[in-house]
Amino acid sequence: DGGITQSPKYLFRKEGQNVTLSCEQNLNHDAMYWYRQDPGQGLRLIYYSQIVNDFQKGDIAEGYSVSREKKESFPLTVTSAQKNPTAFYLCASSSGLAQETQYFGPGTRLLVL
Amino acid sequence: AQRVTQPEKLLSVFKGAPVELKCNYSYSGSPELFWYVQYSRQRLQLLLRHISRESIKGFTADLNKGETSFHLKKPFAQEEDSAMYYCALSGSRDDKIIFGKGTRLHILP
Repeated sequence: DGGITQSPKYLFRKEGQNVTLSCEQNLNHDAMYWYRQDPGQGLRLIYYSQIVNDFQKGDIAEGYSVSREKKESFPLTVTSAQKNPTAFYLCASSSGLAQETQYFGPGTRLLVL
Repeated sequence: AQRVTQPEKLLSVFKGAPVELKCNYSYSGSPELFWYVQYSRQRLQLLLRHISRESIKGFTADLNKGETSFHLKKPFAQEEDSAMYYCALSGSRDDKIIFGKGTRLHILP
């Protein structure tokens, strides 16, 4: 355990509000990822970043935005355009080389008020 | 297209019985296959991967390229094996991983 931290553990969003989920890693990993975990849906990739100042959309990027200004940090913003944001959000990192293991944070549960 | 299929959402097995969690994949090149596990109130973590050819916590998985499968097996289930298991695939040039939808393993006493 350790190495990747996510905050907060629980987050509440009001209608029309943008919220930001934090993800930090001290593993010196180049690549970082955001997934959404819903019951029966598995893990779906939202965004990923292979290097600082660069990121790509995953399979379900609509309504989300990210930034990668520092190697250690990859915050995810859930915008008001995301109509069904209630889910468990997982951040992960890897060395960035092909086919390498990903290491996961403890997750943030987002709930809509 | 890359795809990982786990046909069982829930698998209930008695303690001491053999366990087999099924995983089939679709990929045209040489993939690396993984099994990740999520125990209750713990973070998702790697259980094992094909390239390591290890047995972790008594689990093994063999890559069958002919059947495009990577089933997870354990000869004798233990109660602490109860968890959510995800099969995953990474392509030869990718650092992205495609996850299956997961199988919840419930070990019955």
